[in-house]
Amino acid sequence: AQSVTQLDSHVSVSEGTPVLLRCNYSSSYSPSLFWYVQHPNKGLQLLLKYTSAATLVKGINGFEAEFKKSETSFHLTKPSAHMSDAAEYFCVVSVWGGGNKLTFGTGTQLKVEL
Amino acid sequence: ETGVTQSPTHLIKTRGQQVTLRCSSQSGHNTVSWYQQALGQGPQFIFQYYREEENGRGNFPPRFSGLQFPNYSSELNVNALELDDSALYLCASSFLGNSGNTIYFGEGSWLTVV
Repeated sequence: AQSVTQLDSHVSVSEGTPVLLRCNYSSSYSPSLFWYVQHPNKGLQLLLKYTSAATLVKGINGFEAEFKKSETSFHLTKPSAHMSDAAEYFCVVSVWGGGNKLTFGTGTQLKVEL
Repeated sequence: ETGVTQSPTHLIKTRGQQVTLRCSSQSGHNTVSWYQQALGQGPQFIFQYYREEENGRGNFPPRFSGLQFPNYSSELNVNALELDDSALYLCASSFLGNSGNTIYFGEGSWLTVV
């Protein structure tokens, strides 16, 4: 079985300050891990994905995440938050052989304040 | 732009009725998955179709059914609608073949059951 736990349901940062959204995963096999973003009343957009290559993954809009097997973590970071980053973020796990079935975390709502 | 389109974008149905939601996948994608996202929650896997056959199912009752067609379109059918079926329904398109293939989501169909 596979699962992800997003450790914060809400994160609030000031514009221009760093963003950290935390995710821990559980998987019996080597996982693929993803971060998706969902803006209000919109579908899901892929930010980045880890698929057993480099452990530091760079995504769109300045986001990156580091896969740490020893800590079973895949935290999402961004050096400087922008107002347009305000959205819901989902950490997602998929297992090879699982047929591209995605298991989503419960989401982290990111608020960016002036 | 993900190349995955869903219709209708919004609809309202009465409890007990039936609904059909449609999805047009990216050309060449042999796999389509459907997810249900209730308000304030992460998407939950309903089922997946691979080459027009069901290829995995989440914890949803049989009144949730689907079809996948050779022209990269698919349908999600829900019979005997219940109030709890009110949610955003997301279609996800991908090519099942290698690990970590990118999965593309449509913008979803908002279903309200009254």
